[in-house]
Amino acid sequence: DGGITQSPKYLFRKEGQNVTLSCEQNLNHDAMYWYRQDPGQGLRLIYYSQIVNDFQKGDIAEGYSVSREKKESFPLTVTSAQKNPTAFYLCASDDSLGYNEQFFGPGTRLTVL
Amino acid sequence: QQPVQSPQAVILREGEDAVINCSSSKALYSVHWYRQKHGEAPVFLMILLKGGEQKGHDKISASFNEKKQQSSLYLTASQLSYSGTYFCGTSVIQGAQKLVFGQGTRLTINP
Repeated sequence: DGGITQSPKYLFRKEGQNVTLSCEQNLNHDAMYWYRQDPGQGLRLIYYSQIVNDFQKGDIAEGYSVSREKKESFPLTVTSAQKNPTAFYLCASDDSLGYNEQFFGPGTRLTVL
Repeated sequence: QQPVQSPQAVILREGEDAVINCSSSKALYSVHWYRQKHGEAPVFLMILLKGGEQKGHDKISASFNEKKQQSSLYLTASQLSYSGTYFCGTSVIQGAQKLVFGQGTRLTINP
């Protein structure tokens, strides 16, 4: 079955540590996205990529970094520069045509101890 | 600019109807609607494109008023399974969907 996988489901990190969240899709989608969701809030765009080896900052990119070396993979690194990283992180993908749905992964809940 | 959803929360009894609105200050190309259960990924409901079309399946439908830069989601004869938080996501250009999501509307359906 096609879909998006994110790992791990839960992640704990000590302050000052970098951590990488995995996102893989087998939908053959060109575009991939990372969103952050805080309790009771909507989704805010961190980074997105429309094609391999290219990505753009979203609305809240500070303290985060990404790479897009393969079409299927779009890992997100939460760096120590991110002031308040505890949140629910969602990865999504679509076919980049502008009129189809975004498919979401199950999410990673990151907690900074 | 984040679209504004209203109401922020609504509580209904099973079988009642609900309307959720999503308003933007910018001209829109598309509006996406998603439903999210607590701790889960958002699930796609429908997308409306510039042109003012209305869409629907089963007892959930939506409209898109281009002139008012507003979309409304209609849930009729609500079921318990409709409970969750509803988000609209908007885009202003055609192509790669850099969506901006509203803050969400929490819908609770009681028996």
